[in-house]
Amino acid sequence: EAQVTQNPRYLITVTGKKLTVTCSQNMNHEYMSWYRQDPGLGLRQIYYSMNVEVTDKGDVPEGYKVSRKEKRNFPLILESPSPNQTSLYFCASSLSAGFWEQYFGPGTRLTVT
Amino acid sequence: DAKTTQPPSMDCAEGRAANLPCNHSTISGNEYVYWYRQIHSQGPQYIIHGLKNNETNEMASLIITEDRKSSTLILPHATLRDTAVYYCIALNTGTASKLTFGTGTRLQVTL
Repeated sequence: EAQVTQNPRYLITVTGKKLTVTCSQNMNHEYMSWYRQDPGLGLRQIYYSMNVEVTDKGDVPEGYKVSRKEKRNFPLILESPSPNQTSLYFCASSLSAGFWEQYFGPGTRLTVT
Repeated sequence: DAKTTQPPSMDCAEGRAANLPCNHSTISGNEYVYWYRQIHSQGPQYIIHGLKNNETNEMASLIITEDRKSSTLILPHATLRDTAVYYCIALNTGTASKLTFGTGTRLQVTL
């Protein structure tokens, strides 16, 4: 089954404790991205990757890092999480940049206390 | 990207057609109209997109007015599983990969 998976689905952590949210897709997609969704602010792009070893900032990259060492994986790293990073996070992939259909993962609900 | 305007909520009886409107009066010639939906905090799901011709797929139909200033997403036989927030957005090919959802229309399908 074609899908995007994220882990963990739920995470409660404390300020400053480094964490990684994994994202993997099995569709051989070139383009992958991370979004966060907050009430009243909608969906905002954090980082994206056009292909392996090619990443770039989205609209809200501060406090996040990403890497794309393999085509299928695109982990999101929070080196020193803060409470304002409490959010619902989605990973998405598409065949290529600009392709009309993006596939989203199930989401990761992160709470930073 | 052109701003889109949608009603905040709509109701539809199960089995009936759900017609969700969207205004995009400032849409430019190279911007497509996309529809996504999100079921209760799950990952958003692509539904359909179009430029100026009407489009239909297995999920829905998209009707775009001739002047392209508005469109309607039609779910021909709504079911309870179609209860979701529906987002209409205008994107060109260069920005199609960066989705920015507004508040959308919350569709409630009832028995």
